[in-house]
Order: sequence, then structure tokens, then C-alpha cells
Amino acid sequence: GAVVSQHPSWVICKSGTSVKIECRSLDFQATTMFWYRQFPKQSLMLMATSNEGSKATYEQGVEKDKFLINHASLTLSTLTVTSAHPEDSSFYICSYGAGGWETQYFGPGTRLLVL
Amino acid sequence: EDQVTQSPEALRLQEGESSSLNCSYTVSGLRGLFWYRQDPGKGPEFLFTLYSAGEEKEKERLKATLTKKESFLHITAPKPEDSATYLCAVRPTNDYKLSFGAGTTVTVRA
Repeated sequence: GAVVSQHPSWVICKSGTSVKIECRSLDFQATTMFWYRQFPKQSLMLMATSNEGSKATYEQGVEKDKFLINHASLTLSTLTVTSAHPEDSSFYICSYGAGGWETQYFGPGTRLLVL
Repeated sequence: EDQVTQSPEALRLQEGESSSLNCSYTVSGLRGLFWYRQDPGKGPEFLFTLYSAGEEKEKERLKATLTKKESFLHITAPKPEDSATYLCAVRPTNDYKLSFGAGTTVTVRA
């Protein structure tokens, strides 16, 4: 399967600051990738779909001005949490679709804690 | 709206004690049903894709089956290393998005 990396693996920040999370596909190029959020004891919730070279599509209830997504190349997408607040503390996971998007391969996740 | 319900929420097994996990789904048209394994603090790891009713796939001690309304993940003679949360997800024919269930957390005791 595809190999996906995320950086950083965990981050602690103060309320009001911005945090950038990187997601890279290491062994293939993908025009589309996905960002998910997972709260403790809950399943993955899709936040947005990112297409290389164009604007991301956000799911209902996700603030596009707060969660900035940049998909600048076929192997790199970034998620920036702007003006983070404690309620943004969560596990953020990216994924790439491979094989005609038949299968999504996930990164290892980034744990964000906002104090 | 697509819905995925997994049961039980948690499952505690003795090593060697086989069991099954259930994933019930409602989708307008099924493109694929996916099983993932997630270890604590990590991203989901792909296990299987099932496309049509009657299909079965196996990987080591895991076997996934699919009907028109549900999927089962059978764990045969589990080992402690099989302890994880198992997630089920569906993709409809008219969309690329996955809808996930809440998962079943399996704990296998030696």
C-alpha cells in the first residue's frame, strides 16, 4: 500500500496561535487527498478534500478560514489550524486515494493539544 | 445519508478465542466497503476492500465477508498483537468520500 507521512506527530501550542501540519505521500503522486479529525473514542470525521492546484472542498460545519489547506504539489498537502483554541485539540489524519481512489491510505496522524 | 454501525463497541477475547465483528451499513449504492485497523495514537492501516455481496477476503487470522446489508470481520485464533480498533467504512457509487463507523476495540489477552 501507499506510504504517507505526517509532520509533526504531536504538537502543543498556546491558545490563539497557528499550527501547520504537513502530509506527504512518499511513494506516489496524488491529485486528491483528504483531511480527517478524530476525537477520543470517536471515529474519523472528514474535514475537507484537497485537490492539487485548486481550492479545497470543506465539509459542512468545518470553517474554511480556520482550517487552511494548501495542496501545492502532488506529494505535499498542509493543514494550518489558525488561531487555535482548546476545542481544536484533536487527532488530525490525512489520507491519499490510490488506485482510482478505490482505497485511501492514511498517514500516522498528528496529535494537537491547545492549551 | 450513508450510515455505518459497528458492533460490539468493545470485545475482550482470550488468546485463541475466535470471534466476529459486525458492520451494518446503509448506502444509496455501494462502491466499496473497507476495513481498517487502528492502533492507539496511529492512523488507520488498510486491511480489506469488499465490492459485492458474497465476496470474502482473508489476511492471516482475519477474514472479511460482505452481504447486502452488513459485513463481518472474523478473527480466528487471535493473538495479543491483534489487539486494536477495527474500523469499517463505506464508499457510495456516486461519491469518493468514506463514511466510517465508530469502530470495535478488540483486546486479546494472553
